[in-house]
Amino acid sequence: AQSVAQPEDQVNVAEGNPLTVKCTYSVSGNPYLFWYVQYPNRGLQFLLKYITGDNLVKGSYGFEAEFNKSQTSFHLKKPSALVSDSALYFCAVRPDSTASKLTFGTGTRLQVTL
Amino acid sequence: KAGVTQTPRYLIKTRGQQVTLSCSPISGHRSVSWYQQTPGQGLQFLFEYFSETQRNKGNFPGRFSGRQFSNSRSEMNVSTLELGDSALYLCASSLEQGNEQFFGPGTRLTVL
Repeated sequence: AQSVAQPEDQVNVAEGNPLTVKCTYSVSGNPYLFWYVQYPNRGLQFLLKYITGDNLVKGSYGFEAEFNKSQTSFHLKKPSALVSDSALYFCAVRPDSTASKLTFGTGTRLQVTL
Repeated sequence: KAGVTQTPRYLIKTRGQQVTLSCSPISGHRSVSWYQQTPGQGLQFLFEYFSETQRNKGNFPGRFSGRQFSNSRSEMNVSTLELGDSALYLCASSLEQGNEQFFGPGTRLTVL
């Protein structure tokens, strides 16, 4: 069975500073990894995915994520945070290419302050 | 292209009642998945439908059921509602099974 861990319930960062939201995963076989963001009273918005290829994945709104197979991690990063980035971020894993079922982490609340 | 739509957006029911939630996927998408989001359990997979067939099922009791129509629209039904069923129910669609999923805004169900 696959699982995802997001060790931080909340991450606080000042606007303009770089941000990192951590995610580690456990899955048999090659992982399919995703990051989603959720704003209040909204559904999940897709940010980026890792299927195969370059370990650094670029996504929407200036976000990127680094896949590290040896550390089984897929941390979300952004060079310069914006107040509007404040939201709930979810990391998710899928076991293979054919299944749509996503297993989500518990979420990390990102708070960006002026 | 319109996104995933879910109706209704909000529902209030009482224990013992049943409820039906509806999801219209993005045009052309054939796979629809349902998730339950609660503060305690987080996001949990309910089931997936593709070509009108349930392809995958999460660990939920039989009170939770769903179906998919020939136009890919999907409904989920919860019978004999319990207080613990209060949650945000999210629908996600994808072009095919295994493609990235796009989520709707959710239906917030409150059970009193």
